[in-house]
Amino acid sequence: DSGVTQTPKHLITATGQRVTLRCSPRSGDLSVYWYQQSLDQGLQFLIQYYNGEERAKGNILERFSAQQFPDLHSELNLSSLELGDSALYFCASSIAGETYEQYFGPGTRLTVT
Amino acid sequence: AQSVAQPEDQVNVAEGNPLTVKCTYSVSGNPYLFWYVQYPNRGLQFLLKYITGDNLVKGSYGFEAEFNKSQTSFHLKKPSALVSDSALYFCAVGKLIFGTGTRLQVFP
Repeated sequence: DSGVTQTPKHLITATGQRVTLRCSPRSGDLSVYWYQQSLDQGLQFLIQYYNGEERAKGNILERFSAQQFPDLHSELNLSSLELGDSALYFCASSIAGETYEQYFGPGTRLTVT
Repeated sequence: AQSVAQPEDQVNVAEGNPLTVKCTYSVSGNPYLFWYVQYPNRGLQFLLKYITGDNLVKGSYGFEAEFNKSQTSFHLKKPSALVSDSALYFCAVGKLIFGTGTRLQVFP
């Protein structure tokens, strides 16, 4: 158990809909990262937050947005969903700084039908 | 710009044999290198990291990795593979750059 929790575990929704994925980081970790893992595209970094502020942005679509709240939990919002958005979405957390490893949650499997 | 490459999509090895999963990197400045493992339907788990110091880094589950600055490599190794080591392995440089992953299959 990494200490990072993600809800829900599975999500099935229709094209055009909007969903929210939730992540609670390990106790004491200020940084939260979101990743998308598709079968054919490996692990893609989406966005990072540090203590409530956006720190880095990767290949995140404009239809996607995220935020980190004062209690440090984070939410990833996916809107106008397309079939291609079906993937595993992982949240990770870490202590600040480049030398510290990340701890990953179990992921949310999103299926868009 | 930082980048990392895992040249092999899949590595097959017999149980009891040594295994190597390859990783090469490109960074400007000091490389901070990580290995993670992903078991089916699970999140990634941290295995080991190189920050500075000894070029041979030991990690979880008997894995180790050798940092080679001249070859810009950080290969993951284990002296004797187990069937339970079968998983997807990711090399990463820094916090945000992950390799494409190498599937390790250990046959009994």
